[in-house]
Amino acid sequence: RKEVEQDPGPFNVPEGATVAFNCTYSNSASQSFFWYRQDCRKEPKLLMSVYSSGNEDGRFTAQLNRASQYISLLIRDSKLSDSATYLCVVNMGGTGGFKTIFGAGTRLFVKA
Amino acid sequence: EAQVTQNPRYLITVTGKKLTVTCSQNMNHEYMSWYRQDPGLGLRQIYYSMNVEVTDKGDVPEGYKVSRKEKRNFPLILESPSPNQTSLYFCASSFSPGGTDTQYFGPGTRLTVL
Repeated sequence: RKEVEQDPGPFNVPEGATVAFNCTYSNSASQSFFWYRQDCRKEPKLLMSVYSSGNEDGRFTAQLNRASQYISLLIRDSKLSDSATYLCVVNMGGTGGFKTIFGAGTRLFVKA
Repeated sequence: EAQVTQNPRYLITVTGKKLTVTCSQNMNHEYMSWYRQDPGLGLRQIYYSMNVEVTDKGDVPEGYKVSRKEKRNFPLILESPSPNQTSLYFCASSFSPGGTDTQYFGPGTRLTVL
């Protein structure tokens, strides 16, 4: 089983749609959680950090469920510019070593 | 401008010819890391460093070496490259020594080993 799993998609949605991505992780010792965005083989860039209390930034909402070991990302009112690959990232700081594990990514296409 | 730089950006080489990819950050970050990205596999961590002279293996360290003699630099060394090391490589840095906060990525190095 992969340490971080995501549905690869692609998700094809019209502009204005709401789309949700989920990600599961296997190591319960994981400490930090993030969503990154990557455009067409460019460098990944942080979209947002993920907390148990939830985290909202404009049209984007991220949530962490430690009990079920999954992370979610909700995008409301999708824009054409949201088309990208979304990477779920887990950092295992502490006794498990300070490794960073990326999911393989979920591709999103937003169409006019 | 705060940034992570990598050189070269593109490299084509032949099997067995030693090469070094440089990585430098100007943000005084403690944590630096190397990743490779392959289709369908996502980014996989090669090595990371929590501070000068402190390095540790990630998930795919075989065939690679790193060093951290200065805080700002974290070169990736391929002593004897092989075709299966053809990949897109990213260097990243983070303020937190454990890499537990935002990681900033360099622009990537596309390596082809013939």
